[in-house]
Amino acid sequence: RKEVEQDPGPFNVPEGATVAFNCTYSNSASQSFFWYRQDCRKEPKLLMSVYSSGNEDGRFTAQLNRASQYISLLIRDSKLSDSATYLCVVKKGGSYIPTFGRGTSLIVHP
Amino acid sequence: DTGVSQDPRHKITKRGQNVTFRCDPISEHNRLYWYRQTLGQGPEFLTYFQNEAQLEKSRLLSDRFSAERPKGSFSTLEIQRTEQGDSAMYLCASSFPGQGNTEAFFGQGTRLTVV
Repeated sequence: RKEVEQDPGPFNVPEGATVAFNCTYSNSASQSFFWYRQDCRKEPKLLMSVYSSGNEDGRFTAQLNRASQYISLLIRDSKLSDSATYLCVVKKGGSYIPTFGRGTSLIVHP
Repeated sequence: DTGVSQDPRHKITKRGQNVTFRCDPISEHNRLYWYRQTLGQGPEFLTYFQNEAQLEKSRLLSDRFSAERPKGSFSTLEIQRTEQGDSAMYLCASSFPGQGNTEAFFGQGTRLTVV
C-alpha cells in the first residue's frame, strides 16, 4: 500500500462549482500535512498547510481526520485558474521528508 | 531571484552517458531534497541533506545515482550510465530549519531525456 494515496481524477467541473478531494495516508505517525498545487510542466508550490483544527484560506478549506487517516481539500466557487494538479503531502513525526501523493487533476471549464 | 535554482533546465543525453545536475537552494535553508517526477505521478523522494550531511537516501537511488552537497550550500546529482528509464523531471527543494509545518520550496526542475 502506498504511503499517500489520491484519486488521480481528472475531476471535470464547471466554473462556480464546489469540488472536494480526499487523500489517505497509511502511517499513523504522520504529523504534518500539506496541499501543494502543480501547474502543467511547472514545479509544485505550497497551497496550504493542514492543521488539526482545519483551516480556511479564501475559497479553499483543508481538513484533517486523524482517526480515519485522511485529509481533504474543498474548493468553493471554482475558477478557470484553479485548473491544476493538487498534491497531498505528508510528513511522519520526527522526519523531515515530505512524501507526496500522485496528485489529483482538476479541470475547471467555462 | 532568491528562489531555488536548478541547472540545466533541460538535458538530452544518449543512453550510457553520465549527467550532472546542479541545485542552488534558498540561501538560509539548510535542508535540501532531490525528487524525481514522471508523467502522471507525484514527486518521488530520492535523497535529503541537512547542511552537508546526506541523512537519507531512497531505495530508488541506485548505485548509478550519487548526490553531494560539499559545503552545505549548492548540491549536485549525478547519474552514471544513464538508462531510458531515467527520463524524468528531477526536482530540487529546500526548506528552512524548524519543527513541524515547514514548507519545502521547489526549483523549476531539470527535465532529463535519455535517447
